[in-house]
Amino acid sequence: ELKVEQNPLFLSMQEGKNYTIYCNYSTTSDRLYWYRQDPGKSLESLFVLLSNGAVKQEGRLMASLDTKARLSTLHITAAVHDLSATYFCAVDIRQGAQKLVFGQGTRLTINP
Amino acid sequence: KAGVTQTPRYLIKTRGQQVTLSCSPISGHRSVSWYQQTPGQGLQFLFEYFSETQRNKGNFPGRFSGRQFSNSRSEMNVSTLELGDSALYLCASSWAGLAATGELFFGEGSRLTVL
Repeated sequence: ELKVEQNPLFLSMQEGKNYTIYCNYSTTSDRLYWYRQDPGKSLESLFVLLSNGAVKQEGRLMASLDTKARLSTLHITAAVHDLSATYFCAVDIRQGAQKLVFGQGTRLTINP
Repeated sequence: KAGVTQTPRYLIKTRGQQVTLSCSPISGHRSVSWYQQTPGQGLQFLFEYFSETQRNKGNFPGRFSGRQFSNSRSEMNVSTLELGDSALYLCASSWAGLAATGELFFGEGSRLTVL
């Protein structure tokens, strides 16, 4: 059974600082996704990572995938308050199966 | 381009009742998936439909069922509601074509409260 674990689960940081959220998964997969969820809202797609070594960047967020280590990271650079949200990673259980297994989510709070 | 539309957005039911939730995917998307989100269990996969056929199913009891219509719209049904069924039910659509990335686009969700 595929397990997806994120850490930390809670993160409180100051504006302007850098930090990284980690996503580990237990079985082979080369499809990993990052989503953002604001309180009371739905999930917004951030990144789609489809191969080993994939790196995607959007603004202050950068995501990477190491399929050999079964690890993805979401790096936040010079955090701003607007990035406060819960971030989920999700792994496709098998290629094209359209069945994602989500991590527990990391609740990120950025303080002015 | 319209996003994924779910109805109703909020509903309150009592134990033993049944509920039907509806999802209209993004135009051109043929795959529709359903997820349940609760504070305790997080996001869990319910099932996925493609071209009116259920392709994948999660580990939920038979009280949870779904279907997809020829226009790709989907419904899910929960019968004999239990308190533990209170959750945000999220529908997601994807293109699912040959070069598909598997990226899911989520609707706003239907928040079900069972009393």
